[in-house]
Amino acid sequence: SQTIHQWPATLVQPVGSPLSLECTVEGTSNPNLYWYRQAAGRGLQLLFYSVGIGQISSEVPQNLSASRPQDRQFILSSKKLLLSDSGFYLCAWSTYGQGNTEAFFGQGTRLTVV
Amino acid sequence: AQSVAQPEDQVNVAEGNPLTVKCTYSVSGNPYLFWYVQYPNRGLQFLLKYITGDNLVKGSYGFEAEFNKSQTSFHLKKPSALVSDSALYFCAVNPRGSQGNLIFGKGTKLSVKP
Repeated sequence: SQTIHQWPATLVQPVGSPLSLECTVEGTSNPNLYWYRQAAGRGLQLLFYSVGIGQISSEVPQNLSASRPQDRQFILSSKKLLLSDSGFYLCAWSTYGQGNTEAFFGQGTRLTVV
Repeated sequence: AQSVAQPEDQVNVAEGNPLTVKCTYSVSGNPYLFWYVQYPNRGLQFLLKYITGDNLVKGSYGFEAEFNKSQTSFHLKKPSALVSDSALYFCAVNPRGSQGNLIFGKGTKLSVKP
């Protein structure tokens, strides 16, 4: 069966520090991968998605970047965190090319920038 | 612009009563439709989806949803609510032809009282 791992679960970082959040998927190959941010426990904002290794699409210009160094690994990064980067970050995957299949989400990372 | 509307920020029901969480969408063509549930500080869990066929879709935990093409709605329902159903519910759509990029509503908080 497929599983998705996202870590860390919580993170407190000072303003100006770097960020690296990692997400890995097991049990499937060539998945679509996504990073979402959820603010104030409500709506989800799509940040990045990837349909293959090295292929990253950015939905919202901002202080963050994403990379996909391996087929089932998706990394969210920042060189210098801002207070506004605080939020709940969710990684997700879905079957490549199949818009009719559901996305599966990781457990999320609560990021607090202080 | 493509969008999903969940007109109620919160829905309150008594345990044992039926519940409805509303969702309407504005997407061209015939999108794929999804419902997800989120418990506090957790990732989203898939509940059910509509792809084609019968307008009434049955999903996990006794939930069902009714697709209405003319009203562009996909309301979530359950005949008898449980206290454990209390959570945040998200409606999502994926325009056909997309790479699986979900457009989410802002979420509806369901509160079921004993």
